Amino acid sequence: QQPVQSPQAVILREGEDAVINCSSSKALYSVHWYRQKHGEAPVFLMILLKGGEQKGHEKISASFNEKKQQSSLYLTASQLSYSGTYFCGTVAYSGAGSYQLTFGKGTKLSVIP
Amino acid sequence: NAGVMQNPRHLVRRRGQEARLRCSPMKGHSHVYWYRQLPEEGLKFMVYLQKENIIDESGMPKERFSAEFPKEGPSILRIQQVVRGDSAAYFCASSPGQDVHGYTFGSGTRLTVV
Repeated sequence: QQPVQSPQAVILREGEDAVINCSSSKALYSVHWYRQKHGEAPVFLMILLKGGEQKGHEKISASFNEKKQQSSLYLTASQLSYSGTYFCGTVAYSGAGSYQLTFGKGTKLSVIP
Repeated sequence: NAGVMQNPRHLVRRRGQEARLRCSPMKGHSHVYWYRQLPEEGLKFMVYLQKENIIDESGMPKERFSAEFPKEGPSILRIQQVVRGDSAAYFCASSPGQDVHGYTFGSGTRLTVV
């Protein structure tokens, strides 16, 4: 099942903060976060493993609550370069002998001056 | 260190023709994944391969689509007898393992069926 992301879209002014949420109905092994700019490849931001850890990447950080099967991406003091579509990807056992990374529909983030 | 290389970047095919999409993973990466993306939508898993083995093809349509990752050479996603609904961006990704690693994506192949 595809994870559910919210919000679908958000507009920020430079310097503002945002939170993007991701939830799944399946037991998760890990959560990935990617950013994709229009016409380009998705770029890996970070991976969170079971254990409720929080990771950081410059001013972008994320948390993973494995009991609730939820993850959140935090963007602080946003910059124009943060604009793009953010995808969460949830990793769960596929039943085919491997783990499968399934992406949400994405959150379109626009940062304006 | 070159990233994931996909070619061609753009491919136009007439209905009924075959499309062959190629992907060379990053050096040192033995796990290859193919995803399909429609405009304004997320990436849909198609298939996961390791060298000479299809590990998980649960996302691949049963007919007309096939994938391989031979011992030598790139991974190939093959679509036979293309239809207009096959038009999409096809992304390949690779990783060094399946557990704690993120995926590195190629720039994609934009397939247009006319």
